[in-house]
Amino acid sequence: GAGVSQSPRYKVAKRGQDVALRCDPISGHVSLFWYQQALGQGPEFLTYFQNEAQLDKSGLPSDRFFAERPEGSVSTLKIQRTQQEDSAVYLCASSLSKTGTGDYGYTFGSGTRLTVV
Amino acid sequence: AQSVTQPDIHITVSEGASLELRCNYSYGATPYLFWYVQSPGQGLQLLLKYFSGDTLVQGIKGFEAEFKRSQSSFNLRKPSVHWSDAAEYFCAVALSGNTGKLIFGQGTTLQVKP
Repeated sequence: GAGVSQSPRYKVAKRGQDVALRCDPISGHVSLFWYQQALGQGPEFLTYFQNEAQLDKSGLPSDRFFAERPEGSVSTLKIQRTQQEDSAVYLCASSLSKTGTGDYGYTFGSGTRLTVV
Repeated sequence: AQSVTQPDIHITVSEGASLELRCNYSYGATPYLFWYVQSPGQGLQLLLKYFSGDTLVQGIKGFEAEFKRSQSSFNLRKPSVHWSDAAEYFCAVALSGNTGKLIFGQGTTLQVKP
């Protein structure tokens, strides 16, 4: 596609509910990142994939958070037993290069706004 | 730990006035440096980036930024602000030799007065 697509755009979950957030990166992009952006804050790194391999998951806040990219394209971020503190915008970014720091840079999606009530 | 500081949470300027948004980073070596803009409900759009070479970099929408190693700063500037520049601006660093994950500052909200 022309850009990074994230769905749903908005998600309201009851506390304790499981949610799944989807990211469709630009076709052919090697690396994929997930970030969490709390209200009034800058985005914070969650996890990084190079193709289907999850090479860095140091930013995942707890074992309730799980991400996958089984075929090296679409990625899903799953949050189990959601808590109010999980309320945030979840941003996905992809890059043609392995790290995104080359000439290709990163392309961000518009994000999914998760509200846990 | 590496960090990025944007000292100004909120800035208001008049349309046509000049703008400077401050960014300082804490890191032992020279990181890759970025400025992004985010409009409400939108993703992050890259304004400009610095990897090496000329310390004054030009970006889109008339923005420029200057890397000053001695001050660990990467301030964003624009000579004449337009009303459409009102948005949230984020400075970010990526660590060389790493996965390329970005560390963002807290952001600066820019309001433009007519």
